[in-house]
Amino acid sequence: EPEVTQTPSHQVTQMGQEVILRCVPISNHLYFYWYRQILGQKVEFLVSFYNNEISEKSEIFDDQFSVERPDGSNFTLKIRSTKLEDSAMYFCASSEEGRQGPRGYTFGSGTRLTVV
Amino acid sequence: AQTVTQSQPEMSVQEAETVTLSCTYDTSENNYYLFWYKQPPSRQMILVIRQEAYKQQNATENRFSVNFQKAAKSFSLKISDSQLGDTAMYFCAFKSYNNNDMRFGAGTRLTVKP
Repeated sequence: EPEVTQTPSHQVTQMGQEVILRCVPISNHLYFYWYRQILGQKVEFLVSFYNNEISEKSEIFDDQFSVERPDGSNFTLKIRSTKLEDSAMYFCASSEEGRQGPRGYTFGSGTRLTVV
Repeated sequence: AQTVTQSQPEMSVQEAETVTLSCTYDTSENNYYLFWYKQPPSRQMILVIRQEAYKQQNATENRFSVNFQKAAKSFSLKISDSQLGDTAMYFCAFKSYNNNDMRFGAGTRLTVKP
């Protein structure tokens, strides 16, 4: 079964540094997402991406964050000037459909980001 | 704004027994989707079952079934013949037709005991 692949599985970074989290969505999917889960808390929507641009973003997704699809396969989340509170599990997801898709999203295994 | 509430932070069940996880949601919309995701210790989010709000028939996937009560805005998950591998966090999620923001509940930690 096709998978969404995320790398690295765990990243440790110093406060103030920039990190790039990488994702390879399922090849025929057109919609891409990033979610965040702070330890012990609920999964939160960050951003959705379609046709090479952000389609929606949450209030969490401020100027510190950016997303990019630099080539035909990768989908990246960049976090600039990381803060301790950015420590979380970051999930990438993709779907065939957008708003009206009933099939749900396929999630990757996540990247655990630890800011020290 | 839509909210999803899972009122049971933790539950346990004996292997081979049946357990029901509760979920309620709040929305003013008529067209939406509901999902249950499983998150095992590996932390991956795995889709368990989905329900389209316009369908009255409850979704079923093998040992997993839902009780969807649209008027009550309730979407519970029933796991029959529980197995040790069902031990995980279970998240209920809501997605409107009108946006890409899938809203998750806080999760229920299910432990299946041998």
